[in-house]
Amino acid sequence: GESVGLHLPTLSVQEGDNSIINCAYSNSASDYFIWYKQESGKGPQFIIDIRSNMDKRQGQRVTVLLNKTVKHLSLQIAATQPGDSAVYFCAEKTSGTYKYIFGTGTRLKVLA
Amino acid sequence: DADVTQTPRNRITKTGKRIMLECSQTKGHDRMYWYRQDPGLGLQLIYYSFDVKDINKGEISDGYSVSRQAQAKFSLSLESAIPNQTALYFCATSDSKRVDRDNEQFFGPGTRLTVL
Repeated sequence: GESVGLHLPTLSVQEGDNSIINCAYSNSASDYFIWYKQESGKGPQFIIDIRSNMDKRQGQRVTVLLNKTVKHLSLQIAATQPGDSAVYFCAEKTSGTYKYIFGTGTRLKVLA
Repeated sequence: DADVTQTPRNRITKTGKRIMLECSQTKGHDRMYWYRQDPGLGLQLIYYSFDVKDINKGEISDGYSVSRQAQAKFSLSLESAIPNQTALYFCATSDSKRVDRDNEQFFGPGTRLTVL
């Protein structure tokens, strides 16, 4: 899976600090958004989702913020751990359609 | 997700060869998908199937075909492989019956395909 991340922006964060990963989505009609985590050599793994009628949703150590005005999505990871090192990408979808639009991702590196 | 398996995990082949990638799932989901992932690009949908008798083209279906042999199996074929089909291929599933979570997709571990 390393070759997938060759051209990705990288965010380096000290272990224990909070991480913020951003995503600009493309379709103003999108009403459902997902964040995925992809570790090297593995398939994408669902982290958290949010619908367009919300602007914030919290999970375990993660928070997703949605700003529909500027079509922006962010993923906040609290107390970042080495196991959080991975590529993170967002996806958007419109209700009633099958199609997801996936972002290219950001590589998160956690420094010890 | 261990409930979604893909074979082979790695494959190197030559231009013009026929290749089949297989996907099996034990999640009991009705919907299955094939995606490809290239460096610097987001996942792109090749084909999807909402049921055994339902096959639909995605955004990049040219050069690919699929077969939904059973609810649990969805295979992707490259009839005559070409170098620009070199990529990571992912199978995914989702369950249309999950209330409020019918959009969640579960991905397999991927197949790295190299066409020389």
